[in-house]
Amino acid sequence: KQEVTQIPAALSVPEGENLVLNCSFTDSAIYNLQWFRQDPGKGLTSLLLIQSSQREQTSGRLNASLDKSSGRSTLYIAASQPGDSATYLCAVTGGYNKLIFGAGTRLAVHP
Amino acid sequence: NAGVTQTPKFQVLKTGQSMTLQCAQDMNHEYMSWYRQDPGMGLRLIHYSVGAGITDQGEVPNGYNVSRSTTEDFPLRLLSAAPSQTSVYFCASSSTSRGSNTEAFFGQGTRLTVV
Repeated sequence: KQEVTQIPAALSVPEGENLVLNCSFTDSAIYNLQWFRQDPGKGLTSLLLIQSSQREQTSGRLNASLDKSSGRSTLYIAASQPGDSATYLCAVTGGYNKLIFGAGTRLAVHP
Repeated sequence: NAGVTQTPKFQVLKTGQSMTLQCAQDMNHEYMSWYRQDPGMGLRLIHYSVGAGITDQGEVPNGYNVSRSTTEDFPLRLLSAAPSQTSVYFCASSSTSRGSNTEAFFGQGTRLTVV
C-alpha cells in the first residue's frame, strides 16, 4: 500500500530564507507527483505537477524535484515571504488519477 | 472560470440524517473524486469516477454513496450521518492529455459537522 510522508510537519522561518520541504513515498510505481498549497479554511491550489518521466519542475520561486527510484520529492521555495505561509501538501498519483496525500507541512514565514 | 464548484460550504446534520454534497466541474474532465480531510491525517479518497456511469470505491467508502449520470456532476450522498463523518469534504477533477495525467483541480470544500 502506497504511503506518503512529509517532513517536517511544521516549519517557522524568517522572511527571506530559502527552504526545502520533503516528501517521501513507499511505492515508486507512480504516474506523477503533485504539490499543493492550502490556506486555512480553503481548498487546495495546485503548485507544481511532475510527471513520472520528469526530474523537476519550476514555477517562479518554486522548484520541485522528483527521484522515483529513491521515492523522494522536494519542494524548494526561494526567498520566502509572509504570503507563502500555508500548508503544503504532496500527493502521488496512481491509476485513474487517484491521489494519495501526505499529511502536509505547515509553513509560517514571519517578517 | 468556475472550475470545480461544491455546495454547500457548511452543513450541520443530526445523527441519522441523510444529505447530498454537490460537486460540478465545467472543464469536461473525465476523472472526478471525493476526499475527506481530517486533522493530522491528510486527505483520504472516498469514491472516484472515471467517466459518466462508472464509479468505484476508494480508501474510506463506508457510509457514502456516489453516482455519475453526467460528465459534469458527481454528488456524494451520506446515507445515515454519524459523528465519525464530521470532516471537510473535497471534490476534485482531472483529465489526461497525450497519455499523461493532468493536474487535479479541487473545489473549496464542504465543512460538515454531525451532532
